[in-house]
Amino acid sequence: QKEVEQNSGPLSVPEGAIASLNCTYSDRGSQSFFWYRQYSGKSPELIMSIYSNGDKEDGRFTAQLNKASQYVSLLIRDSQPSDSATYLCAVSGYSTLTFGKGTMLLVSP
Amino acid sequence: KAGVTQTPRYLIKTRGQQVTLSCSPISGHRSVSWYQQTPGQGLQFLFEYFSETQRNKGNFPGRFSGRQFSNSRSEMNVSTLELGDSALYLCASASYRAKAYNEQFFGPGTRLTVL
Repeated sequence: QKEVEQNSGPLSVPEGAIASLNCTYSDRGSQSFFWYRQYSGKSPELIMSIYSNGDKEDGRFTAQLNKASQYVSLLIRDSQPSDSATYLCAVSGYSTLTFGKGTMLLVSP
Repeated sequence: KAGVTQTPRYLIKTRGQQVTLSCSPISGHRSVSWYQQTPGQGLQFLFEYFSETQRNKGNFPGRFSGRQFSNSRSEMNVSTLELGDSALYLCASASYRAKAYNEQFFGPGTRLTVL
């Protein structure tokens, strides 16, 4: 049974701070790793994908992958109230995605 | 490029009825996956279709079925609806052609309520 674990939160950070979201996965054969953002009442939106160990930066977002530790993280720099959402970690072998239950992020002005 | 579209957006049914949901993927995407999202269970994989063939299937009863057409549009059907089938049903499409080949992009979802 493939599992993806996330802290449900909420993670509360003040505006301008760095938000750090974490995810662990059980399947060592996983090849692809994704972060989705989901606003309340909306569908998930892909914000980051990472396929190899290390860091990948895109604007205010940095995804970090450590396959040896089976650990993925997402850093959001200069957090804004508009970043308040649930962040879903997803892991894939080849095609199907296994999702964590998400971490709720609250950014206070 | 137009995104993934799903119809209908909202649906209310009663127990025992059946329902068909539709999904049109991003142009050029040949893979369509279906997910069920509930507050308690999160996002759970139902099945994936690629070039009209079911390639993967999640752990759901046979009441849940799907198909994909030659234009990559997909439908899923739920028969003999139960109260527990109330959920947001999401479809996602992927290209499997580019470098980020298995990035999945979600449609807006269909909110199904079973009374």
